[in-house]
Amino acid sequence: DAGVIQSPRHEVTEMGQEVTLRCKPISGHDYLFWYRQTMMRGLELLIYFNNNVPIDDSGMPEDRFSAKMPNASFSTLKIQPSEPRDSAVYFCASSNRTGGTVTQYFGPGTRLTVL
Amino acid sequence: SQQGEEDPQALSIQEGENATMNCSYKTSINNLQWYRQNSGRGLVHLILIRSNEREKHSGRLRVTLDTSKKSSSLLITASRAADTASYFCAPDNAGNMLTFGGGTRLMVKP
Repeated sequence: DAGVIQSPRHEVTEMGQEVTLRCKPISGHDYLFWYRQTMMRGLELLIYFNNNVPIDDSGMPEDRFSAKMPNASFSTLKIQPSEPRDSAVYFCASSNRTGGTVTQYFGPGTRLTVL
Repeated sequence: SQQGEEDPQALSIQEGENATMNCSYKTSINNLQWYRQNSGRGLVHLILIRSNEREKHSGRLRVTLDTSKKSSSLLITASRAADTASYFCAPDNAGNMLTFGGGTRLMVKP
């Protein structure tokens, strides 16, 4: 398996623009997580899905952020409009619970810079 | 889920030395996992220790778990420059997600 795939790897945009980040989880995994990492706030969980259904979006900072998972092999995180404080590395991770344990597999991340 | 707290926040050692980092958590767990993050990369799972285990080894890694003290430690023996990374613990109490703390930043000097 190729692991969790994220695109783009780097994104530079201007304030006010719409940004869409994409994630392909590992085949067979039924959980998908979106994280944001900054020096100031560390690794924050934004939202997670189970079987394509959003379970907990309490970490989504505000209405400018939205996430979808239209099928088991694809998810998007959208920021509209983007602001400089959204600059961060965004990670997608997937997992399944087997044998009573859950191990998360992370993608390489998307480094977002909002000017 | 609950967040683990790693200690120290940062650690600097010479190549060949051992590195020890600690993790504390608050409530009972099913297992505890350790992850590594190299600069600019995603987290990578290193090792999992179940609540009924006290010690586990994987190569140069040794993990201990003390459920009475709600703490775990990760020991990296004979460290290498390539071990330079941030290390995170993740207590798993049978929820559906893991929560990560601030991690321990390890620097191994050649």
